[in-house]
Amino acid sequence: GQQLNQSPQSMFIQEGEDVSMNCTSSSIFNTWLWYKQDPGEGPVLLIALYKAGELTSNGRLTAQFGITRKDSFLNISASIPSDVGIYFCAGPQGGSEKLVFGKGMKLTVNP
Amino acid sequence: DTGVSQDPRHKITKRGQNVTFRCDPISEHNRLYWYRQTLGQGPEFLTYFQNEAQLEKSRLLSDRFSAERPKGSFSTLEIQRTEQGDSAMYLCASSLVSGTGGEQYFGPGTRLTVT
Repeated sequence: GQQLNQSPQSMFIQEGEDVSMNCTSSSIFNTWLWYKQDPGEGPVLLIALYKAGELTSNGRLTAQFGITRKDSFLNISASIPSDVGIYFCAGPQGGSEKLVFGKGMKLTVNP
Repeated sequence: DTGVSQDPRHKITKRGQNVTFRCDPISEHNRLYWYRQTLGQGPEFLTYFQNEAQLEKSRLLSDRFSAERPKGSFSTLEIQRTEQGDSAMYLCASSLVSGTGGEQYFGPGTRLTVT
């Protein structure tokens, strides 16, 4: 089964607001990935993190690799309507190539 | 630069029928993965290939499921004797073996509905 716990499960925000979400694990991960999925489409890779403590930005998105290597955070600043979708955290499980995913965070942005 | 493509995008089939899905990875990527996603869940790993070799299979991949990547390029996923529980989005991803590792790029998926 899945090992990643994402919170919150959903958020409703106004356009222009910032949003934060996090992902925790009971085991250590060496890589954290954040994906966004639109309805009926596959996940799109947003940010990849490889080092504990690493902070990486991609436009209005900023993600951090937790210092314990058991968590990661994603922030979206100044949200816009096209940010709507489901955000997933993921990481390779136990030295394997397979990714395990969180259950996702559904973001709704009200214009 | 084309991304991962999957065909068909949607498939409706009757219980008991066989279905086959195709995935074309990003051209220089040597690893190819199959995942299954049900409503409200994240994708779950099924299997992966490095070139033409199938290196890992999940316990989710029952005997009715088979995947191939005969020439190390495109891959097919076949489901025999489909059941209603097979209804899901089937996602393909690809990656390039590198020192950093981990980054998998997904296709648009094939939505399977078994009636």
